[in-house]
Amino acid sequence: DAKTTQPPSMDCAEGRAANLPCNHSTISGNEYVYWYRQIHSQGPQYIIHGLKNNETNEMASLIITEDRKSSTLILPHATLRDTAVYYCIVRVPWKDSSYKLIFGSGTRLLVRP
Amino acid sequence: NAGVTQTPKFRVLKTGQSMTLLCAQDMNHEYMYWYRQDPGMGLRLIHYSVGEGTTAKGEVPDGYNVSRLKKQNFLLGLESAAPSQTSVYFCASMISPLVETQYFGPGTRLLVL
Repeated sequence: DAKTTQPPSMDCAEGRAANLPCNHSTISGNEYVYWYRQIHSQGPQYIIHGLKNNETNEMASLIITEDRKSSTLILPHATLRDTAVYYCIVRVPWKDSSYKLIFGSGTRLLVRP
Repeated sequence: NAGVTQTPKFRVLKTGQSMTLLCAQDMNHEYMYWYRQDPGMGLRLIHYSVGEGTTAKGEVPDGYNVSRLKKQNFLLGLESAAPSQTSVYFCASMISPLVETQYFGPGTRLLVL
């Protein structure tokens, strides 16, 4: 039940903005969009999440289209340490008032010096 | 604050052997999760727990058992390992669905021969 589609790889220059797209055309109204990243096979690291509105924190910005069928993660000033696999994830309600994160295949971002 | 820790970091098993993976968190989180990650793929939920003494099945529970005897520990057991269980296993914890962020451990690499 893959919910997200991402390009397999991207690259950007150090210091420039990295814009990572994600399609989630089958997302339901109560399902959030999350972004995590995984650096060199470490555990995934939370970046940001949103439902309808654009969100910003100290790491990144999340732009969600009005129809919610796609979103873009923006790293405003990419550094070499941002080289990682970035996962666009849909959070769906699960049992016991919990939820599950449905991971896609991710985008491998390479930040070039 | 160590966060989420996992032991062991790496293990090799022969088919049919058993083992237990330990996940520990020192953040007093109620919810804990076990995921597996196969090469080139995102994470898939195996089992989870919404509190001490509770466990529930995730998406891919077959061949695994879990226990949550103490709030800070979540154990994943393989009773009779199979080569198909070769994977990287990640544990995650979350304070509650209201806070919404899962924190992941560093992972355990398991190779079943």
